[in-house]
Amino acid sequence: SQKIEQNSEALNIQEGKTATLTCNYTNYSPAYLQWYRQDPGRGPVFLLLIRENEKEKRKERLKVTFDTTLKQSLFHITASQPADSATYLCALGSSGGYQKVTFGIGTKLQVIP
Amino acid sequence: GAVVSQHPSWVICKSGTSVKIECRSLDFQATTMFWYRQFPKQSLMLMATSNEGSKATYEQGVEKDKFLINHASLTLSTLTVTSAHPEDSSFYICSAILAGGLNEQFFGPGTRLTVL
Repeated sequence: SQKIEQNSEALNIQEGKTATLTCNYTNYSPAYLQWYRQDPGRGPVFLLLIRENEKEKRKERLKVTFDTTLKQSLFHITASQPADSATYLCALGSSGGYQKVTFGIGTKLQVIP
Repeated sequence: GAVVSQHPSWVICKSGTSVKIECRSLDFQATTMFWYRQFPKQSLMLMATSNEGSKATYEQGVEKDKFLINHASLTLSTLTVTSAHPEDSSFYICSAILAGGLNEQFFGPGTRLTVL
């Protein structure tokens, strides 16, 4: 069965450092992968999308990589700030015009001042 | 732009009653909306895909007669939890897709349902 793995343990990082979060998947060939941010008691907020034929995407302090051979995506936040503290979810989507995605459990990031 | 609202933000009800949750796209039209349920420390679980003007598509294991979905207009989808029981207590979140975008989902703020 399809499986998405994110490190459900919290990731603590010092302010100013680069945070790296991992999303691994098995039994899945996604056409694209998305990353969302979720704050406690709130709905997720879309951050980035990367397609299967793309290796890397950047947006301001965010960078996402996608390795379809390793079946892995890495999500980086450079110069992390306490305001970046949240849970980050990866979501995998298929092709064929069907827009639903499957979410991972998320990784909680805590940026320490 | 692309704002999605949900109402109510929280609701407490007695076991056996029905609860309706509204999801609105405020500044865009959404032909497709999704309904999710999220239990503490768990991932978002897709319950159903709501398509304007047609019947919702439910995920495996989700009872369509218990979770009634109505997508009567391009800006409104409703989820009714019928005959609610304590095990239905959860965080319910809707999302909508902006046509022509990156397939990103715009989420509502969620509804916390507590069934006593």
